Amino acid sequence: DGGITQSPKYLFRKEGQNVTLSCEQNLNHDAMYWYRQDPGQGLRLIYYSQIVNDFQKGDIAEGYSVSREKKESFPLTVTSAQKNPTAFYLCARRETAHNSPLHFGNGTRLTVT
Amino acid sequence: AQSVTQLDSHVSVSEGTPVLLRCNYSSSYSPSLFWYVQHPNKGLQLLLKYTSAATLVKGINGFEAEFKKSETSFHLTKPSAHMSDAAEYFCVVSDQNSGYSTLTFGKGTMLLVSP
Repeated sequence: DGGITQSPKYLFRKEGQNVTLSCEQNLNHDAMYWYRQDPGQGLRLIYYSQIVNDFQKGDIAEGYSVSREKKESFPLTVTSAQKNPTAFYLCARRETAHNSPLHFGNGTRLTVT
Repeated sequence: AQSVTQLDSHVSVSEGTPVLLRCNYSSSYSPSLFWYVQHPNKGLQLLLKYTSAATLVKGINGFEAEFKKSETSFHLTKPSAHMSDAAEYFCVVSDQNSGYSTLTFGKGTMLLVSP
């Protein structure tokens, strides 16, 4: 799993419900990221965190929230305010800035009906 | 500001023939460049990375890429395609002036491999 685990793999929710996606890493890396992937649009950054108890909005943070209470965990909540939540969500870890690559989990596919 | 353009949304090859996936980038500083592969309903897997060392970078599964500063390109190649190479490929740029946030992804190239 590359040291990063996302769960569940598939998630179904009714419109109007909040839902939390789990992301855990076991390599003691500081930086963690959440991306959203839609067909033909590549990856778009939702939130990222460099250290515990600190996180920054990405390009499409509206309707999402995160927490970073522990170094190994970075859960993403998709709130009812997110207008189009059905998507594939990817979590990633990173060792340091600039020249280190991202290492991704296997993703969670969220379907909201 | 940085950007990355993957020049083809789809590339079709026959098994055993060479693969070329094209990527051009724009960066104000010394860039780091990465190629990832994604199989359906999976996360992205790192194929290779360029971080200002050798300009010809070898990656996993027989892939390699060459950093050409004069052409601002980082094309991905493989001498002989295998059926298992069929997937989507992403080129990513990160420049030296960026913080943790500014990794820029291309929109992806779908590689189709026919028998």
